This record gives sequence, structure tokens and C-alpha cells, in this order.
Amino acid sequence: ETGVTQTPRHLVMGMTNKKSLKCEQHLGHNAMYWYKQSAKKPLELMFVYNFKEQTENNSVPSRFSPECPNSSHLFLHLHTLQPEDSALYLCASSQDPTGRVAGYTFGSGTRLTVV
Amino acid sequence: DQQVKQNSPSLSVQEGRISILNCDYTNSMFDYFLWYKKYPAEGPTFLISISSIKDKNEDGRFTVFLNKSAKHLSLHIVPSQPGDSAVYFCAAEDEGGTSYGKLTFGQGTILTVHP
Repeated sequence: ETGVTQTPRHLVMGMTNKKSLKCEQHLGHNAMYWYKQSAKKPLELMFVYNFKEQTENNSVPSRFSPECPNSSHLFLHLHTLQPEDSALYLCASSQDPTGRVAGYTFGSGTRLTVV
Repeated sequence: DQQVKQNSPSLSVQEGRISILNCDYTNSMFDYFLWYKKYPAEGPTFLISISSIKDKNEDGRFTVFLNKSAKHLSLHIVPSQPGDSAVYFCAAEDEGGTSYGKLTFGQGTILTVHP
């Protein structure tokens, strides 16, 4: 366990469903991130939150909606997804927004399958 | 266009020998580089990083070399151990003021260390 906990670990959802991914860290980090890793592709940054404020939206479709109620929790709300959204979704956190003090700490990810 | 490339999808090394993982980048604005290791069903784990003002950083068995003129970095693992078998990701970050947390990852290299 790295200190960043993601739930659920696996999720299968239909294209009309609404679901949420949860990420929690109690490392005292101030920045949190959502990354996506599709098959055969590098990890891609989706969203950045710094002190609960969204500072980056990397051209992500609106069917993905992030929420950061406090600096320890990050959610990714999913609705009307497409099969091509099936991927590993990774949450990460860092002490400072550049990640240069101690790197980024990743969770184990949620393996999402859209059917 | 992929800005960070790991051209070797896989590498096989004998235990005790040196493992050399390579990474090339195209964006001259990148000024900070990180290596991550990932085991199956786990998130990436931070290994080692290097700032562009340095050409070498060492941490135990792991050394990262940076050649800015060639836009190339490498990770050396000496001696290699079977427990090092994992996927290794190279990542880069640029110095842009609004690019905090915006890591650009390579595709990864699967390292297998044989006993």
C-alpha cells in the first residue's frame, strides 16, 4: 500500500450507467491527479487538483467529471461512457504541485471496463 | 506526437548483470525527469529523478544519466535482481508555470531479470 488508496479496484459498467471512482490519500499531500492508461499507450494526465482547485483539464471529454471536496479525497464521476474509455485509471498525489520534492505517489488504479 | 519514447518494449537480463533502460524525448522544455517502476496490479512506484541541471543521479543500485544535447536519458540498475522484473516508465515534466504535475510518460519497458 503506497498511501494512495483507490476504490474500486475493478469496475464493469454499461454505457448508460453512472459510477464514481474514489481516491484517498492521507500523506498530507496538496496536489492530486487523475491519469488514464489505455492498452498499449503511455499514461495520460487527465486532471490536476492543487489545494482542491482544478488547475489542469487535459482536454478530457465531459463524460468524465472530477471532484475534489478536500485535499485528501478525489473522485472521478463517470457517465455515458464509451467502450474505448475502458482503461486503467490511476490516481496520484504529490506534496508540492511540481512533484519535485518527493515525486508523485500513485494508487494501484481502477481497472474500468465499459460494456 | 509522442514526446517521450522508450523504444525498447522489453529487456531481458541475467541476475547480477547491468540493466540499461533507455528513454528519448523531443520537448526541449522538459527540465525534470523521473523513472517509475510498475508491478502487475499495482500503481507506478517512484524510483529516481534527475533535474536538467545535472547529468547523473545515483541512488543505491539505480543511476540515471541525462544527456541533454542528445535528449536522452538512461536508467542503470547494477547489479540486477529478479525482484527488479517489472515495467519501467520514463516520465518528463516541463518548466512551464502552468504545467505543474503534467508528467509526460513513455510507453514503458518490460524488464525481466533471470536468476
